[in-house]
Parts: sequence; C-alpha cells; structure tokens
Amino acid sequence: GDSVTQTEGLVTVTEGLPVKLNCTYQTTYLTIAFFWYVQYLNEAPQVLLKSSTDNKRTEHQGFHATLHKSSSSFHLQKSSAQLSDSALYYCALSGTGNYKYVFGAGTRLKVIA
Amino acid sequence: EAAVTQSPRNKVTVTGGNVTLSCRQTNSHNYMYWYRQDTGHGLRLIHYSYGAGNLQIGDVPDGYKATRTTQEDFFLLLELASPSQTSLYFCASSDDIFFGHGTKLSVL
Repeated sequence: GDSVTQTEGLVTVTEGLPVKLNCTYQTTYLTIAFFWYVQYLNEAPQVLLKSSTDNKRTEHQGFHATLHKSSSSFHLQKSSAQLSDSALYYCALSGTGNYKYVFGAGTRLKVIA
Repeated sequence: EAAVTQSPRNKVTVTGGNVTLSCRQTNSHNYMYWYRQDTGHGLRLIHYSYGAGNLQIGDVPDGYKATRTTQEDFFLLLELASPSQTSLYFCASSDDIFFGHGTKLSVL
C-alpha cells in the first residue's frame, strides 16, 4: 500500500540555525500531490506547503520543500529556525483524483533559544 | 471562511459505551474524513465519504461506523467503545484537507 515515512520523531534545533525534516514515500499512484502540514499546540493541523511538480521548489512562511520523484522524497527545510516554528509537522500524499490522504507519523520540531 | 466544526470537544465514556462524534462543514466540499491522532502513529484514516449516503473504508476502520447524512454532516459512531479507542479524533473536509479542532475521547 501507499505509505509516508518520517524518520525523526523529534528534532531539536537552536534558534537561527537551519532545520531539515525528512519525508520519503512509497506509492502506486502515477500522479501525486504532496503536502506538509503543521500543527501547533492545541490546534488543528493546517496546510503549510503543497507540491505536485517534480524538482520544483515550493516555499511558504520561510519553509521550502522540493519533490524529488527519483528519490521518493519531499523534505522540509528552513534556513533559520524561529522559536515560533516549534510544532508537530506531518508529511502527506494524495493520489490525484483519489481523495484519500496518507500521513506520516509526524515529526515534532522543538526550537530552543 | 471555510469551517469544519466538531462536537463535542471532549467526551468521556466507559468501556462498552455508545458514542457519537459529530462533524459539520460549511465548505461545500464533497469529501469528508475521520482521522484519529495518536503519538507515534500520526494521523490515521478511519472512514471517509464523497457525499451524502456514501461511505469509504479507511485504514483503521475496526470498531468504528460512520454515516454521512447530508453534504454538511458526517458522524462517527463507536457502538461498543474500548480503551484502545481513547484518542484525539479529527474530522476534515477537502480540498487539501481542512481540519476541525478535534474531539478528545477518553474510554475508561
């Protein structure tokens, strides 16, 4: 079946330093859309980034991700982490035309001063 | 503004109890979803629907029933609740999944 793997359960980074959250996937869909969701404490998950184009960088709120179908990856990065970035981050995929969204286990990002 | 409203926000029941979680969307979306969120497992799909009267089985359906009565309303039913169903439940509607604020369910 389709799956999304986020290898880190917790990532701790010092404020101002770069951060990278890993996401790899397996899917049988020919055309897919990828997402990063962010969930702040006591809130609902919300879309942070979306991409369906291979090798194209997508940016939002200082975060960026590039879909690489050759390596089945969609890693999330930010050049300078902020304290307010502390949250739970989910990577997810959806087959175009199939409205079933598959989520990874999530990575908690903790930014420390 | 797009909205997904869940009720109740918190629910406590006993093992074997009967629970109904409600979800209403005002987004005019066709698809609605029920997920459960557990530490270490992330968001797991229970059931989903693409319209009134339709139901699709998700990835963790055991112990759950669901019913979509209208375009707006999607219900999750636990007819014999068990402690393993203690979780945070999210309802969502497409596009790109718009989540409600969740229902925290505790089964004692």
